[in-house]
Amino acid sequence: KAGVTQTPRYLIKTRGQQVTLSCSPISGHRSVSWYQQTPGQGLQFLFEYFSETQRNKGNFPGRFSGRQFSNSRSEMNVSTLELGDSALYLCASSLVPRTSGRDEQFFGPGTRLTVL
Amino acid sequence: QKEVEQDPGPLSVPEGAIVSLNCTYSNSAFQYFMWYRQYSRKGPELLMYTYSSGNKEDGRFTAQVDKSSKYISLFIRDSQPSDSATYLCAMSAYDTDKLIFGTGTRLQVFP
Repeated sequence: KAGVTQTPRYLIKTRGQQVTLSCSPISGHRSVSWYQQTPGQGLQFLFEYFSETQRNKGNFPGRFSGRQFSNSRSEMNVSTLELGDSALYLCASSLVPRTSGRDEQFFGPGTRLTVL
Repeated sequence: QKEVEQDPGPLSVPEGAIVSLNCTYSNSAFQYFMWYRQYSRKGPELLMYTYSSGNKEDGRFTAQVDKSSKYISLFIRDSQPSDSATYLCAMSAYDTDKLIFGTGTRLQVFP
């Protein structure tokens, strides 16, 4: 069974631009979560989508947004990019929405975003 | 102060060594404790999961939770070069799906 796929794998943008990242979950998985990973802060939760609806949102500014399509694929958008947005953006999928810390999620390889 | 603290390393050990990786935390409500392994250019994968206090063993890996000290550990016996990766701890309270991750410890096992 194919794992979580993310495109593109690497991206270079300049300040002020916007970017869209894509995530395809494992087949049959309907919940998709997005994380930002940086050396200083580690993994930080951005948001989770299930059935095209945002279930949870982390503590990030409104420049970060996402959506989920009927086939469970998800996109994440960052507008007006800042230097501090440079990070690895990870997508994770699970069969159903995570309701507990013990629910397992499967991560994709991430998209490395560099903002110049 | 961060809710979860983890030494970033790198930790460099010879093949066959016993490795100890640790995290401390401040939130006494945390009940679920996880260790993830992340290879270079890959996403994290769940390695070990424990609930509340105690030990859990899986092959060469042992996860230990000491809730009284708010301290968790991952031990790797007979370490192999293939264990070279970043290890992330993560934890969550009982009634929430919110996972708090440590920043990760980079481990290098040399032959």
